Amino acid sequence: QVQLQESGPGLVKPSETLSLTCSVSGGSVNTYDYYWSWIRQPPGKGLEWIGYVRYDGNTRYNPSLQSRLTISIDTSINQFSLRLGSVTTADTAVYYCARERRRLSGWNGKDYWGQGTLVTVST
Amino acid sequence: DIQMTQSPSSLSAFVGDRVTITCQASQGINVFLNWYQVKPGKAPKLLIYDASILEAGVPSRFSGSRSGTDFNFTITSLQPEDIATYSCQQYKSLPLTFGGGTKVEI
Repeated sequence: QVQLQESGPGLVKPSETLSLTCSVSGGSVNTYDYYWSWIRQPPGKGLEWIGYVRYDGNTRYNPSLQSRLTISIDTSINQFSLRLGSVTTADTAVYYCARERRRLSGWNGKDYWGQGTLVTVST
Repeated sequence: DIQMTQSPSSLSAFVGDRVTITCQASQGINVFLNWYQVKPGKAPKLLIYDASILEAGVPSRFSGSRSGTDFNFTITSLQPEDIATYSCQQYKSLPLTFGGGTKVEI
């Protein structure tokens, strides 16, 4: 059974960098078949796709976050990570990592998710 | 970006009721739509892909349909464990975008 688990600080100061890691167990991130994704949900709002990384390090980002965002993957330890710079209170959210199925036409659905971690941006 | 307009934002129903949620895409997305169930503190769950195909292991009381750019998600007989927020998401093109979510209460 594939499991994903987010980890990282729950509190980040404004203007600093938010860093989260997703540890994957029960399956390898080093596979052509999936994209490794980050999604967030601000309090009282809907889900927002942040971006994803492929096994080979190729990334795609939400243009609204692209200038501040880095997603990377470390296949040797079966993890992928998120770094979001220059955070503001608007970046306060529950952050989820997820596995996105890949198919010829693009994508197919996020079939495994972490439980999410709340990150608060505050002084 | 493709906008997904989801309605209602919340609903209350009785156990056993039929519940329907709607998502409208701002442009054509073919069948490239997911439905997810989100419960606080739990990993979100993929229920439906390709607008109407049930993910393995998902109870058959859940279903999805498409009419043009309008998509429906139905729970045919609401159960207490279905209390959650349900969200649609298009995967026709990047950025992937979600509807605003529908909170279902009993």
